[in-house]
Amino acid sequence: DTGVSQNPRHKITKRGQNVTFRCDPISEHNRLYWYRQTLGQGPEFLTYFQNEAQLEKSRLLSDRFSAERPKGSFSTLEIQRTEQGDSAMYLCASSLSLASSYNEQFFGPGTRLTVL
Amino acid sequence: RKEVEQDPGPFNVPEGATVAFNCTYSNSASQSFFWYRQDCRKEPKLLMSVYSSGNEDGRFTAQLNRASQYISLLIRDSKLSDSATYLCVPNSGGYNKLIFGAGTRLAVHP
Repeated sequence: DTGVSQNPRHKITKRGQNVTFRCDPISEHNRLYWYRQTLGQGPEFLTYFQNEAQLEKSRLLSDRFSAERPKGSFSTLEIQRTEQGDSAMYLCASSLSLASSYNEQFFGPGTRLTVL
Repeated sequence: RKEVEQDPGPFNVPEGATVAFNCTYSNSASQSFFWYRQDCRKEPKLLMSVYSSGNEDGRFTAQLNRASQYISLLIRDSKLSDSATYLCVPNSGGYNKLIFGAGTRLAVHP
């Protein structure tokens, strides 16, 4: 399977614990995005990387959230001191940047986080 | 006003019906638009892209009205497999950050 992969697919944790999710984009894609989706809503943008550089973070990304893409390939999203409001589906997407026009973002299957 | 507004539905239609969804957006600078399809508990997948006034792909037609800032998706001859949530997405960022609507749920029944 050469699509975007995410691990784990499901995570149940207790409030206050730290969690880390991993995203492996499509191999030649240089752009990587993290989104969060709650029930009944569309995905909300969290952050974006071009290669290893994190170029934008949404205000939704509080200080408890940190994302990295150290070698410009896979990315991790860490949530510290989880809260019940962090329960959501965390989606990763990747795309290949070209000089112009839109480049389709391919989404991974997501990591569903439940904070008890 | 929300950046993207969609009728949440659900739209319950019989097989073979024609159904249309509308979506309004607030950012007049949006240059391109997309419809994504999302099955229950799955990831979104691109259904159609719209760069000019519209696009047609088989049973699916997307139309854009820039003056009124809305885009529509028309599905003809609905199939059971069309049951899903349809997400409207104006492309508002130079690096293609996607701003999703909340989605319109479609249920096609026999």
